[in-house]
Amino acid sequence: GAGVSQSPSNKVTEKGKDVELRCDPISGHTALYWYRQRLGQGLEFLIYFQGNSAPDKSGLPSDRFSAERTGESVSTLTIQRTQQEDSAVYLCASSRDRGVNYGYTFGSGTRLTVV
Amino acid sequence: AQSVTQPDIHITVSEGASLELRCNYSYGATPYLFWYVQSPGQGLQLLLKYFSGDTLVQGIKGFEAEFKRSQSSFNLRKPSVHWSDAAEYFCAVGSYGNKLVFGAGTILRVKS
Repeated sequence: GAGVSQSPSNKVTEKGKDVELRCDPISGHTALYWYRQRLGQGLEFLIYFQGNSAPDKSGLPSDRFSAERTGESVSTLTIQRTQQEDSAVYLCASSRDRGVNYGYTFGSGTRLTVV
Repeated sequence: AQSVTQPDIHITVSEGASLELRCNYSYGATPYLFWYVQSPGQGLQLLLKYFSGDTLVQGIKGFEAEFKRSQSSFNLRKPSVHWSDAAEYFCAVGSYGNKLVFGAGTILRVKS
């Protein structure tokens, strides 16, 4: 597609429920990144995909967080047993190849609210 | 480890006034430096980037930034601010093969 698409744009969930966040990267972009943005804070790196493998998962905050990617296409970030501290905007970005020099294109994010 | 500091959480300027947003980074090697802007409800848009060469880089929307290695800084400037520039601005540092590390952001308010 023309840009990075994320769905849903907003999600309200009850504490303890599982949620899935979806990211559709730009066609042909092999690299895909997930970031989290808490209110009043900068972007926090979660995970990076090159193709469908994840060479860097260092930012996932706990084992409740997981992500997968199908080929060089859609990625899903799953949060199990959500907690209130998971409330944030989850941003996805894609890039033509590994390396920041290729430039990231960000989606508009999914705003997750855990009540 | 890489880190980015944006000392100003909020800045308010009058429309038509000049703007400078500060960014300091910590990185051992030659950094790649970026400024992004985020309008309410929008994703991040790249304003400009520095990889090498001329230390003064021009970006979109009339913004520029200057890389000063001696000060580990990459400050963003604009000579005359427009009301539409009100947004949150993020500085980021990275290197080839690595992920971007972002600062906490500076919220710009423009008063008429």
